[in-house]
Amino acid sequence: GENVEQHPSTLSVQEGDSAVIKCTYSDSASNYFPWYKQELGKRPQLIIDIRSNVGEKKDQRIAVTLNKTAKHFSLHITETQPEDSAVYFCAATNTGNQFYFGTGTSLTVIP
Amino acid sequence: ETGVTQSPTHLIKTRGQQVTLRCSSQSGHNTVSWYQQALGQGPQFIFQYYREEENGRGNFPPRFSGLQFPNYSSELNVNALELDDSALYLCASSLRLQETQYFGPGTRLLVL
Repeated sequence: GENVEQHPSTLSVQEGDSAVIKCTYSDSASNYFPWYKQELGKRPQLIIDIRSNVGEKKDQRIAVTLNKTAKHFSLHITETQPEDSAVYFCAATNTGNQFYFGTGTSLTVIP
Repeated sequence: ETGVTQSPTHLIKTRGQQVTLRCSSQSGHNTVSWYQQALGQGPQFIFQYYREEENGRGNFPPRFSGLQFPNYSSELNVNALELDDSALYLCASSLRLQETQYFGPGTRLLVL
């Protein structure tokens, strides 16, 4: 089955700096890669996603890049704000049913 | 359009008991997936239901079972509860297969 690894497990940045979270996957057939943000005690919320036919996608301060050859994808958050503090999860799927999640990155933005 | 809802929000059970968790999918969504999220971990896939049929199962024992109803709401049943079953149980619905999954708020289960 698919194996998704996520790094780093914790990340602290100064407000206004950029944050980058990286994930690798093992199954070359995986074709959909969502990113979720989970605040303490709340549900995971989709923040951005990318399909395998696209190399990069951007939504305001958030971007995701995908390197199919290397089997890794990354989340980039620019101009970080305190409200970006949360746990971020990457996920991958090749079938659309079983989503494989990374172990999460706890991001802290220091004001 | 209503979001994904789950009930109950919290539950305390003792080892060996049985539990039923419920999920109402987002309006128009015909696919529901269930996940177990242990503290400090990412969600682990339990199974998915598509149009009332099981459509994929993760590495969970048969005492984890489910149902999907004609209105696409779903239940997760866990028999013979074990201490390790203590976790946040999340359901997620999607408009159809291979589409974005939207999560409910979860049910936090504590097994004593």
